[in-house]
Amino acid sequence: EVQMLESGGGLVQPGGSLRLSCAASGFTFSGFGITWVRQGPGKGLEWVSFSGSTGGTYYADSVKGRFTISRDNSKNTLYLQMNSLRAEDTAVYYCARRGVPVANQYFDYWGQGTLVTVSS
Amino acid sequence: QTVVTQEPSFSVSPGGTVTLTCGLSSGSVSTNYYPSWYQQTPGQAPRTLIYSTNTRSSGVPDRFSGSILGNKAALTITGAQADDESDYYCVLYMGSGIWVFGGGTKLTVL
Repeated sequence: EVQMLESGGGLVQPGGSLRLSCAASGFTFSGFGITWVRQGPGKGLEWVSFSGSTGGTYYADSVKGRFTISRDNSKNTLYLQMNSLRAEDTAVYYCARRGVPVANQYFDYWGQGTLVTVSS
Repeated sequence: QTVVTQEPSFSVSPGGTVTLTCGLSSGSVSTNYYPSWYQQTPGQAPRTLIYSTNTRSSGVPDRFSGSILGNKAALTITGAQADDESDYYCVLYMGSGIWVFGGGTKLTVL
């Protein structure tokens, strides 16, 4: 059974840093692209970042230069290092697997999310 | 700045049919954007409904269907049920590892 489990959320002050983790199981992690999607309080879903299975990394303009996505295939884990955090980064952060075949460009399995609150 | 547009809200009667749309602020949505649709109820993670314009995800009832209507992607629910009351999001693939979500449609079944 495919499972995605986010962790690492919490309360952080503006300008601070936080690292989120997404632990995956039930599939060959190294063979799949994984994405981060966030949802601010009362707001819609926003695509944040993507880590391709071949190493490519991609970011939304809103986080480029502040967030870094990475993965450890030996640990079946995806990370999101978030620096210079702002109040508008407050959101539930979801990780999701890119579905197959990859040409279909969608996300098939989602985690339950981890809450990041940026506030003084 | 690419903006993906969706109706903010929609209402449908039980048993009725509703079509939600997903457009672009500039230009037309085609299959080349691989439109996908997700359902989300409050406090829950999104659930994948439709991908690559019109392919239903595993376990999704056939009352959900996807298409291209004119210059937009569309999600049609035929025979709406009470538990279809949710938020629905489309997302378009822009290429080069970039996706953009629409603002979502809040569907009320009453």
